[in-house]
Amino acid sequence: DAKTTQPPSMDCAEGRAANLPCNHSTISGNEYVYWYRQIHSQGPQYIIHGLKNNETNEMASLIITEDRKSSTLILPHATLRDTAVYYCIGLGGSARQLTFGSGTQLTVLP
Amino acid sequence: DAGITQSPRYKITETGRQVTLMCHQTWSHSYMFWYRQDLGHGLRLIYYSAAADITDKGEVPDGYVVSRSKTENFPLTLESATRSQTSVYFCASSRRGGGGTGDLSQYFGPGTRLLVL
Repeated sequence: DAKTTQPPSMDCAEGRAANLPCNHSTISGNEYVYWYRQIHSQGPQYIIHGLKNNETNEMASLIITEDRKSSTLILPHATLRDTAVYYCIGLGGSARQLTFGSGTQLTVLP
Repeated sequence: DAGITQSPRYKITETGRQVTLMCHQTWSHSYMFWYRQDLGHGLRLIYYSAAADITDKGEVPDGYVVSRSKTENFPLTLESATRSQTSVYFCASSRRGGGGTGDLSQYFGPGTRLLVL
């Protein structure tokens, strides 16, 4: 399973883009990068996932480097409701289970 | 569109009592999961199920029992509750699981907060 490394905390101004980095240098070729978030006291929420191409959905964009050793989750216009812990997780291939690390606490400031 | 629900949302019990936490999903997802979340440990997988009548242990299964007689339900039972099982319990479901390729996204319920006195 890929070991992921994320900064413990980040701040972002409301209305600005939030760029959350993740290092996953040991990710295997068929392992996807998944992003989840957990707003205080709620269940984790799926955001987006990708293999090697950049992905976009209604919540966020995911940029994966060509060597697949790192990725960035982009929330294009952060709001106060985006304040949460964000988790980057490798899943798929031999990584059969979601393994949540410490994540990044994103605080969106008014 | 109910999605995935858990009951009860809050539970207080005493050491030694049996407790069952319920999980119900309306998506007909094949896979269902139970996690616990404690301060300092993040989410840890207790048990999961690939289909009705198929269950398997996760990272921390001791003290827990699961069953899955119907696709939509996945109850978690603490046979004899201990204080160390005080935690927040999350149920999740996904269309696919077990590694491989494709969409393995899991969708989580709101959680059950369990206090064992």
